[in-house]
Amino acid sequence: GAGVSQSPSNKVTEKGKDVELRCDPISGHTALYWYRQSLGQGLEFLIYFQGNSAPDKSGLPSDRFSAERTGGSVSTLTIQRTQQEDSAVYLCASSAEDYTAQYFGPGTRLTVL
Amino acid sequence: AQSVTQLDSHVSVSEGTPVLLRCNYSSSYSPSLFWYVQHPNKGLQLLLKYTSAATLVKGINGFEAEFKKSETSFHLTKPSAHMSDAAEYFCVVSAPNQGGKLIFGQGTELSVKP
Repeated sequence: GAGVSQSPSNKVTEKGKDVELRCDPISGHTALYWYRQSLGQGLEFLIYFQGNSAPDKSGLPSDRFSAERTGGSVSTLTIQRTQQEDSAVYLCASSAEDYTAQYFGPGTRLTVL
Repeated sequence: AQSVTQLDSHVSVSEGTPVLLRCNYSSSYSPSLFWYVQHPNKGLQLLLKYTSAATLVKGINGFEAEFKKSETSFHLTKPSAHMSDAAEYFCVVSAPNQGGKLIFGQGTELSVKP
């Protein structure tokens, strides 16, 4: 079946602009995660959605970052007033309800000029 | 709190020789442990997972890892390296009480020489 998809694959934006990154999880997966991969920080957890529960936002680096998940499926990560330090690859993953393995999308490479 | 330490940032082997990528973990709970691989400009691919069943876990492409609680280790091995194994490898831990969010090691870059 289809894996996790993300769009766009690349995004170049100017400092101060807002961006939206999209994630389509594997059909039937109830858990969805966002991570960020950058040279200086490695791979970091950002936010986690599970079913209708309140999301775990403990990894979001600032209040400029937010995410939502509509209808228990597609998720959008929004970064407001982008800064150069936001430049990174943003990865989305989903897992079945047993939490045992997460499957990753190809990522969105964000470059803030 | 959970954490993982990958003991080597870079490992270089010759094609056909064994691969050993070392990982130590720290967890207050019975952890789930994973190895992921990332080829250049590609996404993360799950190699194998340990979730408290058999301590020797077999994964894809001939890789395996052994969970050793006494040593808090989860080293990744392969008997014979192939050129296509060259990639970045991540050791990862998660804890059920944290919704399964993953904590990544810093990664080990594996180079394979002909």
